[in-house]
This record gives sequence, C-alpha cells and structure tokens, in this order.
Amino acid sequence: RKEVEQDPGPFNVPEGATVAFNCTYSNSASQSFFWYRQDCRKEPKLLMSVYSSGNEDGRFTAQLNRASQYISLLIRDSKLSDSATYLCVVNQAGGYNKLIFGAGTRLAVHP
Amino acid sequence: GAVVSQHPSRVICKSGTSVKIECRSLDFQATTMFWYRQFPKQSLMLMATSNEGSKATYEQGVEKDKFLINHASLTLSTLTVTSAHPEDSSFYICSSTGAPNTIYFGEGSWLTVV
Repeated sequence: RKEVEQDPGPFNVPEGATVAFNCTYSNSASQSFFWYRQDCRKEPKLLMSVYSSGNEDGRFTAQLNRASQYISLLIRDSKLSDSATYLCVVNQAGGYNKLIFGAGTRLAVHP
Repeated sequence: GAVVSQHPSRVICKSGTSVKIECRSLDFQATTMFWYRQFPKQSLMLMATSNEGSKATYEQGVEKDKFLINHASLTLSTLTVTSAHPEDSSFYICSSTGAPNTIYFGEGSWLTVV
C-alpha cells in the first residue's frame, strides 16, 4: 500500500464549480499535512497546510481526519487558473523535513 | 525570485555519460538538502537527504554509487547521475528548509538520456 494515496483524476469541471479532492495516508504517526500545487513540468508550490481543526484560505478549504487518516481539499468557484495537479503531502516527523508525496490529482477547469 | 536555484533546467545526455545537477540556496544556509525524483504521472520520490559536510542518507532502493550527492558548502548541493541510462530519464528536484516551517524547492531539472 502506498504511504499517501490520491485519486489521480483527472477531474474535468466547468468554471465556477466546486470540486473536492481526497487523500488517505497509511502512517498513523504522521504529524504534518499539506496540499501542494504542481503545474506541468514545474516545481510543487505550497497551497496550504492542513490542521486538525480544518482551515480555509479564500476559495480553498482543507480538512484533516486523524482517526480515518484522511485529508481533503475543497475548491469553490473554480477558476481556469486552478488547473493543475494537487499533491497531498505528509510529514511523519513533523515540520518540513521528510515529505511523503501523493501521486497527485489532476484538475482541469474549462470555460 | 528563486530562493533555491537549480540548474540545468533541462539536459539531454548520451547513455553512459554522467550529468551533474546543482542546487544553490540564495538567501539562506541550506544545512539540509533533499533530492527527489519524479517519473511521469507519479509522485515525487525522495532519493536522498544530504547534510552539509557529511555523507548523504539514501532511501531504500536508491543506488548511492549511481547517484552521487555532494553537499560541501551551506549554499551548494549537487547530484551527479553517473553512467546515465534511458531509465534514469526523469524530473529531478531539490528542496531545503530555510526559515522555520518553510521549505523551498528548486525549479527542477528535466533529464533525458538518449
């Protein structure tokens, strides 16, 4: 079993749609959780950290369920510029040291 | 601008030759550098962790004699792919922690071995 699993997609949605991505992780000792965005052939960029209480940043909402070892990302009012691959990332040691990446979920937003 | 500068961004080399990829930290001291590899449609896989002035720690399944990592200074880490083969063609990327709770990625290097 992969340490971090994501639905690869692609998710094809129209502008303005709401889309949700899910991720599960296998190591219950994992301490830090993140969503990264990766554009084609580019380096990943931090979208947001994920906290147990859930957190929101504009149109993006992240949730963490430690009991189920499940992380989610909700994107509201999708924009064309949201088209990218979204990576679920887990750090077992806490902080930003040894990051374990999911394979990513591709999102394509169309007009 | 980039906080971690990585180059070359793209390189094509012949099978059997060696390729060096460099990552430089521009505004901070990169005590630790992480090297990842990403094959198409797959996740970034950690290859090794290097600490300045000491030997790199390689992940299971990564050949240390094939992927040579040097981290001789606080601002420079290099990855050399020795005797490259077509199956080594991939996206290689470095990252380092700068300020607390901050990680910086290089821009990545696309290696094609022909």
